[in-house]
Amino acid sequence: SQKIEQNSEALNIQEGKTATLTCNYTNYSPAYLQWYRQDPGRGPVFLLLIRENEKEKRKERLKVTFDTTLKQSLFHITASQPADSATYLCALVRNAGNMLTFGGGTRLMVKP
Amino acid sequence: DVKVTQSSRYLVKRTGEKVFLECVQDMDHENMFWYRQDPGLGLRLIYFSYDVKMKEKGDIPEGYSVSREKKERFSLILESASTNQTSMYLCASRLTGPNEKLFFGSGTQLSVL
Repeated sequence: SQKIEQNSEALNIQEGKTATLTCNYTNYSPAYLQWYRQDPGRGPVFLLLIRENEKEKRKERLKVTFDTTLKQSLFHITASQPADSATYLCALVRNAGNMLTFGGGTRLMVKP
Repeated sequence: DVKVTQSSRYLVKRTGEKVFLECVQDMDHENMFWYRQDPGLGLRLIYFSYDVKMKEKGDIPEGYSVSREKKERFSLILESASTNQTSMYLCASRLTGPNEKLFFGSGTQLSVL
């Protein structure tokens, strides 16, 4: 069956450090992968999309990598700030059709 | 930016009631989604609509139905609410193309007593 796995344990890091979150998937052949941020009590907000032919994508302090051989995406936040504290979700399109499936999310806590 | 509006932020219903959750988007998107989110289970897809009157079941459609009579509106219906349908319900609208992304509403926290 198709699975998307993110570390369910919270990631605690110190302000200024780089946060790295992982998204692993099985039985998908995604054309692209997306990352979202979700704050408590709010809907997820889109951050980045990376396509299968892109190894890396950057947006300000965010960097995403996509390794289709390892079936893994890494999401990095450099120079992290307390305001980056949130849950981060990865999402994939299923092999057939247009339905987007989400991983369980990883909660990031950045301490001052 | 795209606005996705869910009609209620909080809703309390009784077991057996018929419940309507409404979602409206203002950007003429063809694709709309209903998810529910529960602690430890993440976002799970209930239904997907790819055009007016067109729908597909997601991973957990049992106990739910949907209606898409107009492009901007996608309704989720709980025919007979049960306590295990207590959850956060999130509606999303999808921008397709090279800048593909989902836009989510703020969610409806439904409690079924």
